Amino acid sequence: EDQVTQSPEALRLQEGESSSLNCSYTVSGLRGLFWYRQDPGKGPEFLFTLYSAGEEKEKERLKATLTKKESFLHITAPKPEDSATYLCGGTSGSRLTFGEGTQLTVNP
Amino acid sequence: GAGVSQSPRYKVAKRGQDVALRCDPISGHVSLFWYQQALGQGPEFLTYFQNEAQLDKSGLPSDRFFAERPEGSVSTLKIQRTQQEDSAVYLCASSLSFHPTISYEQYFGPGTRLTVT
Repeated sequence: EDQVTQSPEALRLQEGESSSLNCSYTVSGLRGLFWYRQDPGKGPEFLFTLYSAGEEKEKERLKATLTKKESFLHITAPKPEDSATYLCGGTSGSRLTFGEGTQLTVNP
Repeated sequence: GAGVSQSPRYKVAKRGQDVALRCDPISGHVSLFWYQQALGQGPEFLTYFQNEAQLDKSGLPSDRFFAERPEGSVSTLKIQRTQQEDSAVYLCASSLSFHPTISYEQYFGPGTRLTVT
């Protein structure tokens, strides 16, 4: 059974203070590791897909990386507008198995 | 372009009532998914369609839950005889296509928040 675990559950940063969010996964035959951002009252917004260990993708202040057991979402010099819940999901077929998310708060 | 839309956005049902939740996927997207999200949790898979075929319904929590996509576009999730534990946000997602070895990203709608009283 696919499992995804995210840590920490909550993270509070000062504006400009870089950090990383962790996603550990047990997905046999990984066909994609996905990162989403979710704002309160909204659906998850797609950020990145990673397919193989060693792959990296960047978008503005965010960079996602993938190893054989984990994925990291690095946030460089975050701004208050980066505050949201970040979800990680993996799949070995079609359905996504999500972690419980990391709630990020960036204070000005 | 237009994203995934869902209606209604909010639904309050009395215990025992039937409800129907609608999803309009992105035009041309072959795959459609339903997820259930409890407060403070990640989304949990309910069911998956490829065109009009329901290929996986293993996540549906009971036989009170039923989903359909008769013409391969709009989908409806129906919950019969609602119970308090059905209270959650129901998310719909669509994906462009299907590939035998990789999975395409899923685009989510805003969700329907169901409250059963």
